Amino acid sequence: DGGITQSPKYLFRKEGQNVTLSCEQNLNHDAMYWYRQDPGQGLRLIYYSQIVNDFQKGDIAEGYSVSREKKESFPLTVTSAQKNPTAFYLCASSIGGDYQPQHFGDGTRLSIL
Amino acid sequence: RKEVEQDPGPFNVPEGATVAFNCTYSNSASQSFFWYRQDCRKEPKLLMSVYSSGNEDGRFTAQLNRASQYISLLIRDSKLSDSATYLCVVNNGSSASKIIFGSGTRLSIRP
Repeated sequence: DGGITQSPKYLFRKEGQNVTLSCEQNLNHDAMYWYRQDPGQGLRLIYYSQIVNDFQKGDIAEGYSVSREKKESFPLTVTSAQKNPTAFYLCASSIGGDYQPQHFGDGTRLSIL
Repeated sequence: RKEVEQDPGPFNVPEGATVAFNCTYSNSASQSFFWYRQDCRKEPKLLMSVYSSGNEDGRFTAQLNRASQYISLLIRDSKLSDSATYLCVVNNGSSASKIIFGSGTRLSIRP
């Protein structure tokens, strides 16, 4: 089955620790995205990548980093500089190009220990 | 004014009812629009794309009103399983930074 896989489902971060969230897709999509969702809020864009080895900051990139070494993979690192990391993190992908809908993975819930 | 606005609800309607909600957008140059549904603590799932004058998929109808800059979602013969949050998404261009998500409208269907 084609889809987007995020892992882990739940993650706990200690103070001063960096953690990495995995996102893998087998849809052959060019574009991949990371969003953050807080309770009762809309999705906010953290980073996106429209092609391998290239990515751009979204609206709330501070305290996060990404890489896009392979088309299938777009991991997100939440660094210790992100002071309020508790949220629901969603990875998405799309065919790319203009006006294409995004498809989402099932998310990772990150909490502070 | 927010770029994309939705009535947060909740809309609480009986099973079998017809329910409609709107989403307004501020950028008159917006070209494509989508409705997603999001269940509690789950990821958003694409429900419908709304491209030109609107489209229908079974019990769901999406309409686009460019003059008034809103899209609507109509659900007929509502089912208990329709209970979810419905997200409006507006895509203003080819960059991901131009994809704007509404905060969602909560719908609860009661037996």
